[in-house]
Amino acid sequence: EIVLTQSPDFQSVTPKEKVTITCRASQSIGSSLHWYQQKAGQSPKLLIEYASQSISGVPSRFSGSGSGTDFTLTINSLEVEDAAAYYCHQSSSLPHTFGQGTKLEIK
Amino acid sequence: QLQLQESGPGFVKPSETLSLTCTVSGGSINSSSHYWGWIRQPPGRGLEWLGNVFYSGRTLFNPSLKSRVTISVATSKNQFSLKLSSVTAADTALYFCARHDSGGHLDYWGQGTRVTVSS
Repeated sequence: EIVLTQSPDFQSVTPKEKVTITCRASQSIGSSLHWYQQKAGQSPKLLIEYASQSISGVPSRFSGSGSGTDFTLTINSLEVEDAAAYYCHQSSSLPHTFGQGTKLEIK
Repeated sequence: QLQLQESGPGFVKPSETLSLTCTVSGGSINSSSHYWGWIRQPPGRGLEWLGNVFYSGRTLFNPSLKSRVTISVATSKNQFSLKLSSVTAADTALYFCARHDSGGHLDYWGQGTRVTVSS
């Protein structure tokens, strides 16, 4: 099973700040890494597919990068509405696995 | 717009079988490009992939649960279902159904249904 480790677990940030969340895989997964946002009381929402491909309707301040074992989700100019938990997910091999999540708190 | 909706009992007794159904609307489950999956989230914790099913009935499971999980599809009803046997308190969670795109990412999710295992 591929283990995904996110960093940090929690971050308290101010609006307009730039945020970087990392996801490290226990073995190479190519670009089969996806990012989700889960707001309180809601289901996860797909933000980025295949490490860096944007999703229609997702604000352009969200971007992803990386390949192999190291991946990054970047939020440029954070907005209050971005308060949420963020998860990475690998679909390279079975079973699918998720990172433990990163909770963003807006100051 | 594709929508998924989970349904099923909110409480299950220990050692019994949890049964949930996901109804798909706004699109057909008979898609050669998609799988239909189940994911759960224990209270205050992260996401766990349980397994998925193709419209043909082919299934894939998380080995950690494989012996207890059954996932089936009812194409005539545009539904797919999850059964988890011999449940314990550790199976208490918010259960989501979702659509896997061909590459594996989950592009549409249900709102989730909370299941509590308790006597």
